[in-house]
Amino acid sequence: NAGVTQTPKFQVLKTGQSMTLQCAQDMNHEYMSWYRQDPGMGLRLIHYSVGAGITDQGEVPNGYNVSRSTTEDFPLRLLSAAPSQTSVYFCASSPLAGLTDTQYFGPGTRLTVL
Amino acid sequence: AQSVSQHNHHVILSEAASLELGCNYSYGGTVNLFWYVQYPGQHLQLLLKYFSGDPLVKGIKGFEAEFIKSKFSFNLRKPSVQWSDTAEYFCAVNDPDSNYQLIWGAGTKLIIKP
Repeated sequence: NAGVTQTPKFQVLKTGQSMTLQCAQDMNHEYMSWYRQDPGMGLRLIHYSVGAGITDQGEVPNGYNVSRSTTEDFPLRLLSAAPSQTSVYFCASSPLAGLTDTQYFGPGTRLTVL
Repeated sequence: AQSVSQHNHHVILSEAASLELGCNYSYGGTVNLFWYVQYPGQHLQLLLKYFSGDPLVKGIKGFEAEFIKSKFSFNLRKPSVQWSDTAEYFCAVNDPDSNYQLIWGAGTKLIIKP
């Protein structure tokens, strides 16, 4: 199993550009989520999904969109990048929709917005 | 709302020293508690978790944590650290307002001197 994969690993954008961060898992997990990690702060949940076709907002959803058309994929879209979105982005998945199970993380995407 | 505090942002120890990393949370109801670790160049991975039962939880690589409800704490311990324990350690607690969100501490960077 590849586990949770994320692409790209690094990305530089200009303010106003849009892009999609890709996340895929091959473990047939129902729950997937996107976090951002900023210096001196813990991970903050952006969006999550409890199954294909179902998404919901987390703590910091503004400026981001998600969709879940398949169990495997959970892309994160930045609609119009802003410098405040410079961060490291992690995708995670879990077998169960609740939080009692282990989350499996991808390697992260380091995004810089100029 | 739930909040999580990790008081030590950076810890430097020599090999064979004992380790204790603090984690305190604010919400006093039923909690699910986690410690995750990120080794250099690797994905975040689960170290240990507590849901109920014995408040002393044992995890991978000789780590343990003790849930003390009266102190709102879930401190991570290891009696004798190794150079390979160099990593960043994150404490996380469930958000009582959501079934699907964890609240994360800011992390502690641990450096073990050989």
